[in-house]
Amino acid sequence: AQSVSQHNHHVILSEAASLELGCNYSYGGTVNLFWYVQYPGQHLQLLLKYFSGDPLVKGIKGFEAEFIKSKFSFNLRKPSVQWSDTAEYFCAVNAGRRALTFGSGTRLQVQP
Amino acid sequence: EAGVAQSPRYKIIEKRQSVAFWCNPISGHATLYWYQQILGQGPKLLIQFQNNGVVDDSQLPKDRFSAERLKGVDSTLKIQPAKLEDSAVYLCASSLRQGFEETQYFGPGTRLLVL
Repeated sequence: AQSVSQHNHHVILSEAASLELGCNYSYGGTVNLFWYVQYPGQHLQLLLKYFSGDPLVKGIKGFEAEFIKSKFSFNLRKPSVQWSDTAEYFCAVNAGRRALTFGSGTRLQVQP
Repeated sequence: EAGVAQSPRYKIIEKRQSVAFWCNPISGHATLYWYQQILGQGPKLLIQFQNNGVVDDSQLPKDRFSAERLKGVDSTLKIQPAKLEDSAVYLCASSLRQGFEETQYFGPGTRLLVL
C-alpha cells in the first residue's frame, strides 16, 4: 500500500524567507506526484504535479518541487514566501488511475 | 469552466441520524471520488467511480455508508446511521484522463458535525 509522510506539521516563516516542505512516499512502482494547497476558507487547489520527464517541476505562484526517485522524495520549495502563502499544503501520490494517497499536511504560517 | 460543486456546505446532525451529500463533477469528467478529511489529517478515499461503475470502495464503511453515481454524472454519498467519528469534511473530486496524465480537481467540501 502507498503511504506519504510530511514531516513538518507546522512551519512559521517571516516574509521573504525561503521555504522547503518535505514529502516522502512509500511505493515500489511508478508514481504520479502532486502538491495541493488549501488557503483559509477555500478548497484544495492543485499547486503542481509530476507525471514524468524533468524531475524539477514548476507550479503556480513561484512554487517548484523536485522529484528524487532514489530518495522517494518530492519536496516543495519557494525561494521567497509571501504572507499570502499562508495555507495548508498537502503532498499526494497515486499510481496509474487510482485515487490519491495524501500526507497529513503542513500548515504554513507566514508572518509579515 | 465550472468547478466541482457540492452541497450542502455545512451539516449538523445528531448521532444515529442519516445524512446525504451531493456532488456534481466538472463536465465531461468520467472519474469521480469521495474523500473523507478528518481534522488534522489528509483526505482519505472512500469510493472511486469510473462513469457509473465502482472502481474502488475498499475503504468505504459499507455498514453505514453508501454512494451512487446514477447516469455517470452526479453522485450522492449517504451515511445512515451517523456516528460521532463521522464528523469530518467530505470532499468530492473529479478527473479526466488526458494521455498519460490524470489530475483530480476538488470541490469545496461538506463539513459534517455529528453531535
